[in-house]
Amino acid sequence: EIVLTQSPGTLSLSPGERATLSCRAGQSVNNDYLAWYQQKPGQAPRLLIDGASRRATGIPDRFSGSGSGTDFTLTISTLEPEDFAVYYCQQYSRSPLTFGGGTKVEIK
Amino acid sequence: QVQLQESGPGLVKPSGTLFLTCAVSGDSITADTFWSWVRQTPGKGLDWIGEIYHTDSTNYNPSLTTRVTLSLDRSKNQFSLRLTSVTAADTGVYFCARRFPYYGADVWGQGTTVTVSS
Repeated sequence: EIVLTQSPGTLSLSPGERATLSCRAGQSVNNDYLAWYQQKPGQAPRLLIDGASRRATGIPDRFSGSGSGTDFTLTISTLEPEDFAVYYCQQYSRSPLTFGGGTKVEIK
Repeated sequence: QVQLQESGPGLVKPSGTLFLTCAVSGDSITADTFWSWVRQTPGKGLDWIGEIYHTDSTNYNPSLTTRVTLSLDRSKNQFSLRLTSVTAADTGVYFCARRFPYYGADVWGQGTTVTVSS
């Protein structure tokens, strides 16, 4: 299976700052079938990005995804108060689908 | 607006069988779609359980494949998860989700909490 490693585990930032989250795959993710999700406490995950860089419907353009192969990045250009949450990457190029361990973006 | 709603018992005894359903509204489970289950154990990350395609083809997490079965109920427009021989390690929040081929999971249920305890 494709193991996804997210870093850092926790990112402490202030509103207005830029957040850069990393997701590294143990094997190449074919066709860049890599998604990013946001999860807040007590809520289901919300799809932000799939296809490594395609924003899902209704997602603000301050969220952007990049990368290919084994290295992927989620960037939040200017953190809004509602962006403090946990972020997960997931590959769906090969079964079993796998998630990374998550990055918590917390208020500094 | 597509909505998914999980349902099932909140408490299951050890060694018993967990059965959850996910009712789909605003979409048909016969469409060209994967219907997925994901769980989250207390304080931990997301764990993919498996998914079933509209053709009844299934893919499972290898760690669960001997205990899990996914199925579609076309008459009720819902899909189901059956997990046998449960232990405390199966305690958590179970989510159902929709995923189109080549895309991420764009619609999720709110999640249902399952506790395995005697």
